[in-house]
Amino acid sequence: EVQLLESGGGLVQPGGSLRVSCAASGFTFSSYAMSWVRQAPGRGLEWVSAISVSGGTFYAGSVKGRFTISRENSENTLYLQMNRLRAEDTAVYYCAALEYSSSSLDYWGQGTLVTVSS
Amino acid sequence: QSVLTQPPSASGTPGQRVTISCSGSSSNIGSNTVNWYQQLPGTAPKLLTYSHSQRPSGVPDRFSGSKSGTSASLAISGLQSEDEADYYCAAWDDTLNGVVFGGGTKLTVL
Repeated sequence: EVQLLESGGGLVQPGGSLRVSCAASGFTFSSYAMSWVRQAPGRGLEWVSAISVSGGTFYAGSVKGRFTISRENSENTLYLQMNRLRAEDTAVYYCAALEYSSSSLDYWGQGTLVTVSS
Repeated sequence: QSVLTQPPSASGTPGQRVTISCSGSSSNIGSNTVNWYQQLPGTAPKLLTYSHSQRPSGVPDRFSGSKSGTSASLAISGLQSEDEADYYCAAWDDTLNGVVFGGGTKLTVL
């Protein structure tokens, strides 16, 4: 069974940093591009970042230069390092497995809540 | 403001057929595949259809996707109460170099 388990969310002050993780199991992690998608309270889905199988990275304009996506294939784990956090970054952060040919987000985790507030 | 445009709400009665539209541009829907996601209340999103009209295993054939030019649509036939959810379209955007989502459509089963 495919499982994506996010962790590391919490309360952080504006300007602070946080790293969220996503532990994958039940599929060949190293063969999938991976992505982060966030959802602010009561709002729609917003794509944040993606990392290819070979390590190429992509970012939404709203987080470029502040967030860094990375992966550790030996540990089947995806990361998102978030720096210079703003109130508008408050959201549930989902990790998802990205199928390259269709750009579909095939598997999703349950999400981890990041709250940026003083 | 979302890159892809969806109606904020849709509704239907049990057994009816409902269609949700999604409008984009040449850099996203016009040149890439469209995927639809279902988000039931309080849960994570789930892939509903991909590559315009394909369904992952386990998704009923009541759900069907289609695409024409720079627009796409999701049709749900034989509407059931458990279909009440938020639905999102998405596609890769070649200009933005990332996935773009529609704003979501809240489906109410009356």
